Amino acid sequence: NAGVMQNPRHLVRRRGQEARLRCSPMKGHSHVYWYRQLPEEGLKFMVYLQKENIIDESGMPKERFSAEFPKEGPSILRIQQVVRGDSAAYFCASSPESLFGGGEAFFGQGTRLTVV
Amino acid sequence: TQLLEQSPQFLSIQEGENLTVYCNSSSVFSSLQWYRQEPGEGPVLLVTVVTGGEVKKLKRLTFQFGDARKDSSLHITAAQPGDTGLYLCAGVLRSTPLVFGKGTRLSVIA
Repeated sequence: NAGVMQNPRHLVRRRGQEARLRCSPMKGHSHVYWYRQLPEEGLKFMVYLQKENIIDESGMPKERFSAEFPKEGPSILRIQQVVRGDSAAYFCASSPESLFGGGEAFFGQGTRLTVV
Repeated sequence: TQLLEQSPQFLSIQEGENLTVYCNSSSVFSSLQWYRQEPGEGPVLLVTVVTGGEVKKLKRLTFQFGDARKDSSLHITAAQPGDTGLYLCAGVLRSTPLVFGKGTRLSVIA
């Protein structure tokens, strides 16, 4: 039973390019969460999606960032026109049911984005 | 403002010692999860506590959820070098899926 799969593990982008981070949730999980972690910081919530719907995007910057979780395929976190401040580890988590209903979240290994 | 405060931030102990780390908030959580994270890896779920006053044990690790569901503790008995890592607590609020503390970085020296 594979865990949450994220790819790529490492991504290097030049300023102004686009970054696409992919997340395949665990089998049977329809709830996906994206978090960002800066060095020596805790994980900061970005967005919560449930198949084809954005449930909560309160933690996501209004500009340049977008997320989707299509009916088929992985969830995608997209960052347009990246800047150096976007350099961080991005983690995806999934759960079989809503965390508000007692579900447990399982994390992937993350994508480390470096903007040069 | 940090919703979840973890203490201590850093802890370095000798193998065989006991330790407790804390996770405190002024907010009430519907559930709270503890994770361990190693460098370059994602957080690994250790336990979820849901009921106020709940105590859960995982081998040498004991987790407790406060009666008011505002705080939690993690106690490790006879720590081993393999326990080294970043311990994160994360709570589910009514409106936010998981709010994380900054973590306690534990180092167990052989």
